[in-house]
Amino acid sequence: DGGITQSPKYLFRKEGQNVTLSCEQNLNHDAMYWYRQDPGQGLRLIYYSQIVNDFQKGDIAEGYSVSREKKESFPLTVTSAQKNPTAFYLCASLPGQTSRSPLHFGNGTRLTVT
Amino acid sequence: DQQVKQNSPSLSVQEGRISILNCDYTNSMFDYFLWYKKYPAEGPTFLISISSIKDKNEDGRFTVFLNKSAKHLSLHIVPSQPGDSAVYFCAANAGGTSYGKLTFGQGTILTVHP
Repeated sequence: DGGITQSPKYLFRKEGQNVTLSCEQNLNHDAMYWYRQDPGQGLRLIYYSQIVNDFQKGDIAEGYSVSREKKESFPLTVTSAQKNPTAFYLCASLPGQTSRSPLHFGNGTRLTVT
Repeated sequence: DQQVKQNSPSLSVQEGRISILNCDYTNSMFDYFLWYKKYPAEGPTFLISISSIKDKNEDGRFTVFLNKSAKHLSLHIVPSQPGDSAVYFCAANAGGTSYGKLTFGQGTILTVHP
C-alpha cells in the first residue's frame, strides 16, 4: 500500500538540541513538502523539494534545514535556532509539477521541546 | 497577513442536516482551492477541490461553491453524518507556483450530533 511514513509519531527533545524528523514515501512522487501546524492555526509551509538534490524555502524556513538525497526521502531538521519548535509537523507529496492533484499527507510527527 | 480565513472556529449540526463551512481569501492570484478534513493527531485528507474557472464542484455528499467576485468559497455537506465530525481546512494555490504550495485557513471544527 503506497503512502507517506513519518516517524516517530511523538518526539521529545530538550531545548538547544537539533532533531531530525523522518519522511519516507513509496508513491514515486517527485515533489515533497514540509508543513507545520500550531493550535488554532492553519498549516504553514516550511520547505519543499520538487526534485532530488533541490529544495526551496517556504514561508517559515528559519531555524529549519532539509535534504533531498533520494526521491523517497525528505528529512527535516529542527535546529536550536528555531524559536518555537513545539508543533505538529506534516510531510506531504505530489506526483510532480505538471499534475495539479491534491497534496497527499503523512500522519505527522508531534514534536515537544522543553 | 492572513490570506485565507475561516472565520467560524466551530460549527455544530444535527445528523441529517446540512453543514456549511465558509472560507474567504484576499489574494486574487489564487486560482485553485481545496478542502481537507483532519482528525486529531492525523494528517489532513483531501475532500474536494475547485478551479477558478468553475463556480461549483460536486462529489457525493460534498459540494464546493466558489464566488470569485466575493473571494469566497463554501463547502456544503448533505446530509451530515457523525463521522463527518473533524476539523475542516480550506486551502488555496496560486497559478504559476508549485502546486504543493498551499495557503491554509485556520480550520473549522465541525461537530455532527446524532
